[in-house]
Amino acid sequence: EAGVAQSPRYKIIEKRQSVAFWCNPISGHATLYWYQQILGQGPKLLIQFQNNGVVDDSQLPKDRFSAERLKGVDSTLKIQPAKLEDSAVYLCASSLGGDSSEAFFGQGTRLTVV
Amino acid sequence: AQSVSQHNHHVILSEAASLELGCNYSYGGTVNLFWYVQYPGQHLQLLLKYFSGDPLVKGIKGFEAEFIKSKFSFNLRKPSVQWSDTAEYFCAVNARPGGGNKLTFGTGTQLKVEL
Repeated sequence: EAGVAQSPRYKIIEKRQSVAFWCNPISGHATLYWYQQILGQGPKLLIQFQNNGVVDDSQLPKDRFSAERLKGVDSTLKIQPAKLEDSAVYLCASSLGGDSSEAFFGQGTRLTVV
Repeated sequence: AQSVSQHNHHVILSEAASLELGCNYSYGGTVNLFWYVQYPGQHLQLLLKYFSGDPLVKGIKGFEAEFIKSKFSFNLRKPSVQWSDTAEYFCAVNARPGGGNKLTFGTGTQLKVEL
């Protein structure tokens, strides 16, 4: 079974530039999550989609971050403009949905803002 | 909102030593509990999970964890670690019902097993 695919694996940008990350979840998984993992911390949820609708984006810095899942399958996360503190690994995860379904994680995109 | 505390940030053990990693959560309601592992260069993988029933759960690679509701704890154990267990371990919780499987993670414990 194919896992959660993310690209790119690494990205280095200058502050104030924009960047986009892509995620393709496991086929059939209705729920998709984006997490931010800053060095030395555990992953923190940014946004959760159920099919193509947003379930929770309460921790997404909406002045600079945006995400979409237009067709209910793959998703993009964008940062514009980036700040130094956005340097982190951005993890995408997917699950079948519901309170007791397991989340499967991609390998993440490591973003460095200089 | 729930929170998760992992008390050991870095642990170094010799092969065959026993392992116990602490995890405490803060939430007044019912939760699902998880331990994830991240091997160097790899993605987060589920080690084990507790939803309900027997509070002692067994996972992959000889790991187990015990849910103690009165202590809000879900400690991870392994009787004899191997060099290949070197990884970062994360405890996570999601509230139910209605938690939508949104995970709240601890800060992680970096385990190094020496030969």
